[in-house]
Parts: sequence; structure tokens; C-alpha cells
Amino acid sequence: GAVVSQHPSRVICKSGTSVKIECRSLDFQATTMFWYRQFPKQSLMLMATSNEGSKATYEQGVEKDKFLINHASLTLSTLTVTSAHPEDSSFYICSAIWFFDRVPDTQYFGPGTRLTVL
Amino acid sequence: AQSVTQLGSHVSVSEGALVLLRCNYSSSVPPYLFWYVQYPNQGLQLLLKYTSAATLVKGINGFEAEFKKSETSFHLTKPSAHMSDAAEYFCAVSDWNFGNEKLTFGTGTRLTIIP
Repeated sequence: GAVVSQHPSRVICKSGTSVKIECRSLDFQATTMFWYRQFPKQSLMLMATSNEGSKATYEQGVEKDKFLINHASLTLSTLTVTSAHPEDSSFYICSAIWFFDRVPDTQYFGPGTRLTVL
Repeated sequence: AQSVTQLGSHVSVSEGALVLLRCNYSSSVPPYLFWYVQYPNQGLQLLLKYTSAATLVKGINGFEAEFKKSETSFHLTKPSAHMSDAAEYFCAVSDWNFGNEKLTFGTGTRLTIIP
């Protein structure tokens, strides 16, 4: 299957700093990527849909100024957690849609990024 | 609106026994259905998917699932459990329309394998 990578895999930062997480589709172009947040022992919560060349679409209750998303190329989307606080500590996972013959086929997931805010 | 219900947040089976993880869906349009597996501190790996072709879908690692429209179910099975199957399993649904490729996930089922 297609491969999606994330960097970094783990990050620890101080409260008030900003953290950038990268999501890359390694062997396919992804016009649409998604960002999820997962709390311990819980399911994935969709945060936003990242569309190449346009503004991200945020889910209800997600602060767009807090979680900045940039999808500047067909293989890279970034999530920046601005002014991070301990409650932002979580596991962040991205995914990318692989299209087959121009039809959305499968959503492939990255390995996740563990963010810890001290 | 679509939704997925996974019955049983925890399932334990003995090594070599049948694995059955339940998933029921609700969708107003013909759905696309997926099963993903998540190992600790990792992302999700696609096990299999149903996209309106054959109702019995075979996936990786010996897993398969059957789409039953009359029961609105998409249960995941494996004839013989291995220790390596211990993980969290998520069922997901999408109507996969352009501009709306979102997945709606179930709450997950943690599978434990008893030696």
C-alpha cells in the first residue's frame, strides 16, 4: 500500500512554544490530507481536512488559530500547534487519500506524532 | 449522517481460536467500509475495505469481513488467532463522495490474545 510518513515521531516542548508536525505522502500525490487527534485508549477525532492549495476545513470545536494547517504541495501538509499548553498533549495522526483512476480509493495513515507539552 | 457502532470495547480470545469483531453501520447512501488495525503508539494500518464490489472481502494477515446490507453489518473475522493479532481495531464508514472523503470511526475494539 501507499506510505504516509510523519515527522517528528515524538516531541516534547515547553508550554507557550509552537510545534510543527509534518505529514508526507511518500509515493503518491495527495490533494486531500486529514489531521486527527487521539486521546489514550480512545478513537480518532478528526480535526481538519487539508486541501492542497486552499484553506483547511476545520471540524466544529477545533480552533483554527490554535492548530494551523498548511498544505503547500501535493505531498506535504503541516500542522502547527501554536502556543502549546499541557492540554494539547496528545497523539496526532495524519492521513492522505489515495485516488485510483481519479476516484478516492483508500485513506492511508501516518505513524503518528506524540506531543507532550510540559 | 453516517455512524459506526463497534460492539465490545474489549474482546479476548485464545490463541488459535476464532476472532470475531463486530461492526454495524448507519448510512443513508451505499457505504464504503473499512477495518483498520492500530498497534501501540503507531498509526492505523488498513486491513481491508468494502467498496461495493464483492460482499466478502479478504484482507491482510488472514482477516476477512462480510458486508451484509440486510443486517447493516461488516464484522471482521479470522479463523485462527495469533499472538501478533493483539491490537486495537477500528471500523470506519465513508460515503466517499468527492469533497467529502471523511471517515467516521467506531470507538474501537481492543483484541487480547490469551496464550
